[in-house]
Amino acid sequence: EADIYQTPRYLVIGTGKKITLECSQTMGHDKMYWYQQDPGMELHLIHYSYGVNSTEKGDLSSESTVSRIRTEHFPLTLESARPSHTSQYLCASSGRTANSPLHFGNGTRLTVT
Amino acid sequence: AQSVTQLDSQVPVFEEAPVELRCNYSSSVSVYLFWYVQYPNQGLQLLLKYLSGSTLVKGINGFEAEFNKSQTSFHLRKPSVHISDTAEYFCAVSGRGAGGTSYGKLTFGQGTILTVHP
Repeated sequence: EADIYQTPRYLVIGTGKKITLECSQTMGHDKMYWYQQDPGMELHLIHYSYGVNSTEKGDLSSESTVSRIRTEHFPLTLESARPSHTSQYLCASSGRTANSPLHFGNGTRLTVT
Repeated sequence: AQSVTQLDSQVPVFEEAPVELRCNYSSSVSVYLFWYVQYPNQGLQLLLKYLSGSTLVKGINGFEAEFNKSQTSFHLRKPSVHISDTAEYFCAVSGRGAGGTSYGKLTFGQGTILTVHP
């Protein structure tokens, strides 16, 4: 049963378009994350947030931006999509305590043509 | 900073055989360790975690892992696999912060694709 939701699941879009990938969680988690996953590669953290109005860039540089206006919502935006942005994007959230695992959404597979 | 190396990119096995997926890590601080599983077209699901205490941890679906501090390893094992275990498995590590707080910024390995054949 998914408590973290990502939309759309699949997106094919042309170069230069602006896109927003949605992520919402119903668990009241303070921490949220965006990971980028390419086939056969490890997941790379591109953005994270420890609460409302808190956003930080992750370990992998990304041209995308994020916002955290509400606890449950953590959208990712690309102002001008390019073929190099083709990838799978995974959103996750976690609670505050050390034994709180990450809960992942099912991902958005983005293809930029 | 932490890094994770999963030593096998693909592991094919026959149904009911035992399996071990290997994971080594490096870190300058104490760590928390995790194994996640990803089924096709889905997100990642937590299999098990090591936070402290017993070095042998048991997870869901009959999997277990052993933390070996001296060898900086956290190998995943299952004594008898099923077709349904076919998936990609990720080892991950996060550094302990001050006061033992995990900040959740996981560093993942490259993943191991486990394929179980009938």
